[in-house]
Amino acid sequence: AQTVTQSQPEMSVQEAETVTLSCTYDTSESDYYLFWYKQPPSRQMILVIRQEAYKQQNATENRFSVNFQKAAKSFSLKISDSQLGDAAMYFCAYRSGVGGATNKLIFGTGTLLAVQP
Amino acid sequence: GAVVSQHPSRVICKSGTSVKIECRSLDFQATTMFWYRQFPKQSLMLMATSNEGSKATYEQGVEKDKFLINHASLTLSTLTVTSAHPEDSSFYICSARPGTGGSPLHFGNGTRLTVT
Repeated sequence: AQTVTQSQPEMSVQEAETVTLSCTYDTSESDYYLFWYKQPPSRQMILVIRQEAYKQQNATENRFSVNFQKAAKSFSLKISDSQLGDAAMYFCAYRSGVGGATNKLIFGTGTLLAVQP
Repeated sequence: GAVVSQHPSRVICKSGTSVKIECRSLDFQATTMFWYRQFPKQSLMLMATSNEGSKATYEQGVEKDKFLINHASLTLSTLTVTSAHPEDSSFYICSARPGTGGSPLHFGNGTRLTVT
């Protein structure tokens, strides 16, 4: 079974600085997708970024980028120029690429990010 | 973008009563929807996968008679918590995604259930 591990329960960053959130996963599959979701205090789940395993190029979305190391099964999220609105719980998630629409999303335990002004 | 609407956002009910939560995909059809439960400061735990026109698939340890799921159309899935007890108090979130492949899940706003 696939597992997702986030080893940092909490992180803190100064406004305008850069922070990296760690995520590792375990799978025997070669076709899969990885995601980072953000959950602010409103508890709405918001997609931050996604990565297809078959793509070697790291995904980027404005201030958010990932470091995808497939061999190491690592998928870290870098937030540049941190803003107060980035403060939230961040979840790393895995989904198999085999099986179609019923594939479930497996979440890590989350990292609570605080942004200091 | 794909929108998932969940209702109600907050509900308080008495022990022993049943509560229904609705999840709608507003601008896309979803043959599959997912129901998650989240305890405070914890991750999302998948409860069940809702399949349009067929029975839901429940995760291990989730009581199917307690958490009734109905997915009667391509845009609506419902979760009914039957004979609710205080330990059922939690945050319930539904999700769905348009298409297959790498399209991400979109989440409803969640329902905070409090059983008194």
